[in-house]
Amino acid sequence: NAGVTQTPKFQVLKTGQSMTLQCAQDMNHEYMSWYRQDPGMGLRLIHYSVGAGITDQGEVPNGYNVSRSTTEDFPLRLLSAAPSQTSVYFCASSYSSATDEQFFGPGTRLTVL
Amino acid sequence: SQQGEEDPQALSIQEGENATMNCSYKTSINNLQWYRQNSGRGLVHLILIRSNEREKHSGRLRVTLDTSKKSSSLLITASRAADTASYFCATDAASGTYKYIFGTGTRLKVLA
Repeated sequence: NAGVTQTPKFQVLKTGQSMTLQCAQDMNHEYMSWYRQDPGMGLRLIHYSVGAGITDQGEVPNGYNVSRSTTEDFPLRLLSAAPSQTSVYFCASSYSSATDEQFFGPGTRLTVL
Repeated sequence: SQQGEEDPQALSIQEGENATMNCSYKTSINNLQWYRQNSGRGLVHLILIRSNEREKHSGRLRVTLDTSKKSSSLLITASRAADTASYFCATDAASGTYKYIFGTGTRLKVLA
């Protein structure tokens, strides 16, 4: 199993550009989530999904969109990048819900100029 | 929103010593999890303790939970240089919102 994979590893954007961060898992997990981690901070939940076709907002959803068309994939879209979105983004998955152990991807380091 | 807050923010110890870090949270929970993050990497799950449990062990890790004080502690015994990492607690909402809230973490440095 590859576990949770994220692409790209690094990305630099200009203010106003849009992009999609990819996340995939091969463990047949129902629950997937996106977090952002700013320097010296913990993780803040952006969006999460409890299964294909079902998504919901976390603590900091503004400026981000998600969709879950398959169990495996959970892409995160930045609609119009802003410098405040400079961060490290982590995708995670767990078997059935957030109450199970979460498996994290390696992260995407995003810089918005 | 509720948040786990770890204490201390940073901890430096010698190899072989024990490391204790604490987590406090604000509202009732179903369970609490501890994660480790090595520099620049994703988080790795260490242990989950449910609200009806008071203590749990996993190898050199011991976690306690005091729901009356809304706090948890993580003890790493006989620490090793490889334990150098940041440690986070994460709490869910007892109302079952499927959201986990992470604390700001304790940075542990184990000196060889």
